[in-house]
Amino acid sequence: QQQVRQSPQSLTVWEGETAILNCSYEDSTFNYFPWYQQFPGEGPALLISISSVSDKKEDGRFTIFFNKREKKLSLHITDSQPGDSATYFCAASPNYNVLYFGSGTKLTVEP
Amino acid sequence: VTLLEQNPRWRLVPRGQAVNLRCILKNSQYPWMSWYQQDLQKQLQWLFTLRSPGDKEVKSLPGADYLATRVTDTELRLQVANMSQGRTLYCTCSGTGGALAEQFFGPGTRLTVL
Repeated sequence: QQQVRQSPQSLTVWEGETAILNCSYEDSTFNYFPWYQQFPGEGPALLISISSVSDKKEDGRFTIFFNKREKKLSLHITDSQPGDSATYFCAASPNYNVLYFGSGTKLTVEP
Repeated sequence: VTLLEQNPRWRLVPRGQAVNLRCILKNSQYPWMSWYQQDLQKQLQWLFTLRSPGDKEVKSLPGADYLATRVTDTELRLQVANMSQGRTLYCTCSGTGGALAEQFFGPGTRLTVL
């Protein structure tokens, strides 16, 4: 059973637009939600994370919005750049040690 | 700053042959070490978390059997056997709480079945 779901599977935006990546989860014990960015041939890199006590986390052009009641979160990338083109993974954890990953969203930013 | 080294970075594995992977931790602030696999469809899956030297665990998943060992405070090993489909194995490290609890991935070892 997929515990973490992501949508869309792929997304194309123009440079300067806002990309919105969605994530939902099943397990109410999950309390930590990191997003990872992965470029081809590299390992996933931690981008930004949020705990379940917050509803928003911002870091530069990257913002997580979190809705605990609906078990949903989203990653907003404002002023998207071609260098943001990568696969983004949403993850969830009940204890910081075991991460359950979604299937990823492949983002393409067209110049 | 590189937190983790993995070797080899890639390996061609004849069907039926086992392969041994190594992960070296470069920063003792992040002592919890784990293995994740990423399949050919890019799905990431947790395999093991080993905290102390001497810890060992085994697991069988579709497409491969695993034996993980925490050798020392800075070295983690993984034996992959009976692999039928290619995959990439990532070592991760994390601390014990707060901001240090965030998990960081190594560069990965890509395995291809011959």
